[in-house]
Amino acid sequence: GAVVSQHPSRVICKSGTSVKIECRSLDFQATTMFWYRQFPKKSLMLMATSNEGSKATYEQGVEKDKFLINHASLTLSTLTVTSAHPEDSSFYICSAKGRGRYGYTFGSGTRLTVV
Amino acid sequence: DAKTTQPPSMDCAEGRAANLPCNHSTISGNEYVYWYRQIHSQGPQYIIHGLKNNETNEMASLIITEDRKSSTLILPHATLRDTAVYYCIVRGDSGAGSYQLTFGKGTKLSVIP
Repeated sequence: GAVVSQHPSRVICKSGTSVKIECRSLDFQATTMFWYRQFPKKSLMLMATSNEGSKATYEQGVEKDKFLINHASLTLSTLTVTSAHPEDSSFYICSAKGRGRYGYTFGSGTRLTVV
Repeated sequence: DAKTTQPPSMDCAEGRAANLPCNHSTISGNEYVYWYRQIHSQGPQYIIHGLKNNETNEMASLIITEDRKSSTLILPHATLRDTAVYYCIVRGDSGAGSYQLTFGKGTKLSVIP
């Protein structure tokens, strides 16, 4: 089956620093990748959609300069949280869709804690 | 906005069938019904999807009403490991924004020993 590897699984960083989260599709080419954020006891909220080789499309209210998304290849997308603050602490999850595939495969998530 | 309505929580006895309902009264002809589940602190896991016919796989069965306005996910023999939040999602296969999955609040299923 399709596998998406996301890492790190947990990261703690100091306020003001930047954190990069990687999402890799291991056995298929991900033409589209999605990034979600999930606060405790809440549902997943879509942050942005990225197609390989194109700029990401951000959802309303998501700052593109703060959450930098790079989808440089068909197997890798990265999310960089720049100048992180405690309110950015959350569970970040990526999802990938391959060409012709109906299903979406999710990564295992990254728990970000900003102190 | 999510286009589905699910009960916030359900309990099921271990070994019994878990039937999770979902209303999607505004579903359009080209939209599929997807089910995912999320075990605590993990990424969502795909369960099953369908368009209008009932579907079955090794994890579950999906029953879609004839008018497609509602569906039921059936876990035939629930185990403790099936305790999770279950999300019912409708998604089209064309048009702007149709490729994203929009998550509602889901149903928290608790399987009880």
